[in-house]
Amino acid sequence: GIQVEQSPPDLILQEGANSTLRCNFSDSVNNLQWFHQNPWGQLINLFYIPSGTKQNGRLSATTVATERYSLLYISSSQTTDSGVYFCAVSLYNQGGKLIFGQGTELSVKP
Amino acid sequence: GAGVSQSPSNKVTEKGKDVELRCDPISGHTALYWYRQSLGQGLEFLIYFQGNSAPDKSGLPSDRFSAERTGGSVSTLTIQRTQQEDSAVYLCASSHDSYGYTFGSGTRLTVV
Repeated sequence: GIQVEQSPPDLILQEGANSTLRCNFSDSVNNLQWFHQNPWGQLINLFYIPSGTKQNGRLSATTVATERYSLLYISSSQTTDSGVYFCAVSLYNQGGKLIFGQGTELSVKP
Repeated sequence: GAGVSQSPSNKVTEKGKDVELRCDPISGHTALYWYRQSLGQGLEFLIYFQGNSAPDKSGLPSDRFSAERTGGSVSTLTIQRTQQEDSAVYLCASSHDSYGYTFGSGTRLTVV
């Protein structure tokens, strides 16, 4: 089956720093989403981004589908950005079933 | 409703008992998904509904697990004869045409 690999597995930042999280996937996909799981366990959808670039405030994401990777950029990080960031993909004809990577655990220190 | 609602939020059960977990998706969302997240792990796909039918049950870990969806809305995940390895957070998500999942807050199941 498709493999989804995220890096780095853990990241510690000082408040105000920028970071880049990476997601590599092993097959062509028709759906790629980034999620943030806060320390209380709630999963929030950040981006639906099977290709191209999107921005939402301090967050932006880029997916290069032909090279099978996606990047999530966090600028001017805040303590509220802490948590686990998941990349998830689905294959064509899979009905939107998402396969999740193992996540990047981000800790932003004040 | 405004979001995906799951109940109960926490469930402690004795090994061997049956449990039912409920998911109430966003109104109008035709797709509904169940996932399981063990402590410190990623999300494991269990089952997917499109309307009331389940075209993909490939993630159900054993025949002790079953799920149904009625009226294209509420879904129930049933675990029979629970085992300690079933302890996890069970997450439900819904979406419209596979774009942009919305997750519920999950049910934390502990089997003692």
